[in-house]
Amino acid sequence: NAGVTQTPKFQVLKTGQSMTLQCAQDMNHNSMYWYRQDPGMGLRLIYYSASEGTTDKGEVPNGYNVSRLNKREFSLRLESAAPSQTSVYFCATQQIPNTEAFFGQGTRLTVV
Amino acid sequence: AQSVTQLDSQVPVFEEAPVELRCNYSSSVSVYLFWYVQYPNQGLQLLLKYLSGSTLVKGINGFEAEFNKSQTSFHLRKPSVHISDTAEYFCAVSRGVGKLTFGQGTILTVHP
Repeated sequence: NAGVTQTPKFQVLKTGQSMTLQCAQDMNHNSMYWYRQDPGMGLRLIYYSASEGTTDKGEVPNGYNVSRLNKREFSLRLESAAPSQTSVYFCATQQIPNTEAFFGQGTRLTVV
Repeated sequence: AQSVTQLDSQVPVFEEAPVELRCNYSSSVSVYLFWYVQYPNQGLQLLLKYLSGSTLVKGINGFEAEFNKSQTSFHLRKPSVHISDTAEYFCAVSRGVGKLTFGQGTILTVHP
């Protein structure tokens, strides 16, 4: 039972490069989220998908795009990476109205 | 809008001592309250949650928290900590439809 799986675990990008962070869940949850974690700032919501076929902006969406490919998968894309996007990215899932969120192990991204 | 403030960025304690991690929130509507723990290089794991009912909530690993509506606080406590409790702890709020808002985090370091 993998739960929430994120790939890759680590990535180094050059400024201006693009990449996609992948998230897959086997929990059959309807809602999925992307957060970024920065020191001293906790976790901040980038985008979320309340259900398959819908996506909405969170607190810090600039520079990112998302795709809810199906119920299991929710990807986060950086079209032109910037050093300010150096962070640890977490995917989470939740079955609304059950309020507990389940998190992946994170992707540590460095943009140089 | 809602916000969460964790009053201590770092809390050092000795093993077997009691600990309290403080959390205050602001919201114009009723919210659900959570504490998550993050061990080094891992994702977040739910410690406990307050949805309604008794204001004293017990969680995993001997932690408990008390919801105080008049003081808009949700402080986390443990009567006797272990080395293995060393981690970062996050307080979070939700309006019940996902989209957690996190505090800045408190790093708990337990010394032998």
